[in-house]
Amino acid sequence: DAKTTQPPSMDCAEGRAANLPCNHSTISGNEYVYWYRQIHSQGPQYIIHGLKNNETNEMASLIITEDRKSSTLILPHATLRDTAVYYCIVRVTSTGTASKLTFGTGTRLQVTL
Amino acid sequence: NAGVTQTPKFQVLKTGQSMTLQCAQDMNHEYMSWYRQDPGMGLRLIHYSVGAGITDQGEVPNGYNVSRSTTEDFPLRLLSAAPSQTSVYFCASTNGGRQYFGPGTRLTVL
Repeated sequence: DAKTTQPPSMDCAEGRAANLPCNHSTISGNEYVYWYRQIHSQGPQYIIHGLKNNETNEMASLIITEDRKSSTLILPHATLRDTAVYYCIVRVTSTGTASKLTFGTGTRLQVTL
Repeated sequence: NAGVTQTPKFQVLKTGQSMTLQCAQDMNHEYMSWYRQDPGMGLRLIHYSVGAGITDQGEVPNGYNVSRSTTEDFPLRLLSAAPSQTSVYFCASTNGGRQYFGPGTRLTVL
């Protein structure tokens, strides 16, 4: 699985958009970009994933550059409850390796009043 | 659905004791995993299973055993607890590349 690089921490004002970047310059053509978050010692929570097109769901949007070497997770209107560590993970989605996720240290997002 | 459940929530052991961390899921997922998370660190994969009767080692398997006799259950056994195994343990099940995590077990080994 490709390695990812994320900033260790970011701040965001409540109500503003939080844009979390992730570099994955060695990504392969069949590797997806996944985002999870972990709120204060709870189990990680899936947010969104994508291959090459931009994706949006009820939680966030995922923007993947055309060369797929980087991506940005966007929380459109951050709230205090979005304070968490956000993990960007790149991996192949296949049945044989579906159980294996490699978590780095992620980005600690602090949302403030 | 209860999702992924883990018991106990907290556990304190003495060095050398053994115990089993329980994990169960009711989503009929074939793939399950165990991770540990040390303070300030990301999650590290201990063992995983791609279906009943099939298990494999992850990144940090030493000191842990697993078995998978049913689709629902994936227990993690500590054979002889050591202080280095003090950590938070998360179990997860996988469907379509998306992982569902349990609430974790906080283990302290004295």
